This record gives sequence, C-alpha cells and structure tokens, in this order.
Amino acid sequence: EVQLLESGGGLVQPGGSLRLSCVASGFTFSSYAMSWVRQAPGKGLEWVSIFSGTSGSTYYADSVKGRFTISRDNSKNTLFLQMNSLRAEDTAVYYCAKMSKSSVAGTAYFDYWGQGTLVTVSS
Amino acid sequence: QTVVTQEPSFSVSPGGTVTLTCGLSSGSVSTTSYPSWYQQTPGQAPRTLIYSTNTRSSGVPDRFSGSILGNKAALTITGAQAVDESDYYCVLYMGSGIWVFGGGTKLTVL
Repeated sequence: EVQLLESGGGLVQPGGSLRLSCVASGFTFSSYAMSWVRQAPGKGLEWVSIFSGTSGSTYYADSVKGRFTISRDNSKNTLFLQMNSLRAEDTAVYYCAKMSKSSVAGTAYFDYWGQGTLVTVSS
Repeated sequence: QTVVTQEPSFSVSPGGTVTLTCGLSSGSVSTTSYPSWYQQTPGQAPRTLIYSTNTRSSGVPDRFSGSILGNKAALTITGAQAVDESDYYCVLYMGSGIWVFGGGTKLTVL
C-alpha cells in the first residue's frame, strides 16, 4: 500500500524559512517523480514543484521559483521542500504527491496523495 | 499567465447526469494537455479519478468518464449519487515540466 506522510509544517513569520518532508512507503521511491501541491485555506489546488525520478530534473511554479527548492533522498525514501522568504500567500496545506512515472512528462499524473501538512505564514 | 477555467459550482439531481468542464483562458484543451481529474471532499486529500483525458484510475466507478468536448476537457458523472457531492479539480500539463490546476468546481447533489 502506497503511503505518503508529510511533516514539518507550522507557524512561521513572513520572510522566514521552513523545510517540509514527505516520507514514502509501499513503492520503489527512486523510480517515480514526486510533486508538491498546495491548497490555501478555502481555495483550490495549486501545483508547486516536481522532482523527476531518475534524471534529477526539477521544475517550479512561477509563484515559488527562486524561493522554494525541492529535493529528495532516495536512500531515505524522502521528498523535501525547502521554503525560504515565505509570504502570507504561501499559507496553505502542502500535499506530497507521487507521480505515475519516473519522467517529467505530460503522460504522468498525480496518482497518490498524502494527507498534507499546514504551513501558516503570519506575524 | 495561462489560467485553467472550471465552473465554480454545479448542481445535479440524484440519478442525473452532469458534465463539468476544464478550459483555457487562451487556446484549446486537447489530449496533448493530458487532462486529469481529482475529487476532494472537505478536510481530505484529493483522490485521482481520471487521467490522460479518459482513463479511469483504479477503483473509480464507471459512472465517471472523461472526454474532450469542443475545446475543453470534460468530466461526466452519469447517475450521480449523494456521495459524489465534492469539489472536482482538473489539471493540465502545460509543457516544460509545468502543471496548472483549475480553480475547481463545487458539485452539489440534491
């Protein structure tokens, strides 16, 4: 059974930093691309970033480019999201999502989701 | 900035058929956008329904179907049930490693 468990959320001041983690189990982690998707309170889903399974390619939404960094540790089956220069508009539940394939391509889709971790940016 | 558009809300009677759409603020949605659809109930993580336009994810009832209608992707629920009352999101692949979600449709079954 695929399981994704996010952690690291919390309250942080504007301009601050936070590092989210997602521990995966139930599949060969290194063989799949992984994404972060967020959802602001009462709002819709927003794709944030993706890390490919094998090539090491990473991509970001314009809203977080230059501030957020996605990484992964395949030896620990863990995906990370380093968030710097946080803004109030980054307040959201952050979901870790497994992609359906290793490569970053349109044929990939979000096939499994974690339960999310809440990040609140406020003074 | 490309915006993915969805109806903010929709209502369907139990047993009825409803089609939710997913479009682009500029241009048309085609199979090469690889539209996928996700269902979310309040407080829960999204659930994958449809991928690559019209392929149902494992365990998804066959009352859910996906297609391209005109210049939009579409999610059709045939024989809607009370349990289908949820938020529905589409996402499109924009190329160059970028995905964009639509704003979601809140479906009411009554």
